Amino acid sequence: AQKVTQAQTEISVVEKEDVTLDCVYETRDTTYYLFWYKQPPSGELVFLIRRNSFDEQNEISGRYSWNFQKSTSSFNFTITASQVVDSAVYFCALSNSGYALNFGKGTSLLVTP
Amino acid sequence: EAGVAQSPRYKIIEKRQSVAFWCNPISGHATLYWYQQILGQGPKLLIQFQNNGVVDDSQLPKDRFSAERLKGVDSTLKIQPAKLEDSAVYLCASSYLLANEQFFGPGTRLTVL
Repeated sequence: AQKVTQAQTEISVVEKEDVTLDCVYETRDTTYYLFWYKQPPSGELVFLIRRNSFDEQNEISGRYSWNFQKSTSSFNFTITASQVVDSAVYFCALSNSGYALNFGKGTSLLVTP
Repeated sequence: EAGVAQSPRYKIIEKRQSVAFWCNPISGHATLYWYQQILGQGPKLLIQFQNNGVVDDSQLPKDRFSAERLKGVDSTLKIQPAKLEDSAVYLCASSYLLANEQFFGPGTRLTVL
């Protein structure tokens, strides 16, 4: 069975602080894919990143970075120098070989000025 | 490139009534998904199509929910009869290939009174 745990329900930071969103996953498959999506107040899910199980390289995209560690089954997401526009619910998700996404419950991030 | 289109955006019905949602995926995307997102939770898959065939409908409450994807393009999700617990946002997503990132539509917010 697949499972994604996002233990942080809500996080509140002040603008320009760095923040890390945790994601721990469970799967028996050797081939799988991990995703992060952003859901702003408007409601539409926005794709941020996809990572396959054979690629443990960390990735950086502007202020966003992702740390994938198979040894701890974690795929954490860090926002550097947070901005008010980063306020949203962030979902981590897991998929095996093209099937549907199994989402975590999400972490609500509030960035205040 | 046009995104995933959904209609209506909002719907309010009484319990035991019927309702239908429509989805038009991104052009060329063979895989289409319907998810249900209850307030405060991550989206949960209802059904996955590959072209016009069903890949996974294991979590679709088939006594009241039905979905079709005629001609492998547009899709319709129907609920008949609706229950109070069906109040949720219904999200449609599409992807070019299996295992690729999924792109989501704006969703239909259903309220059952």
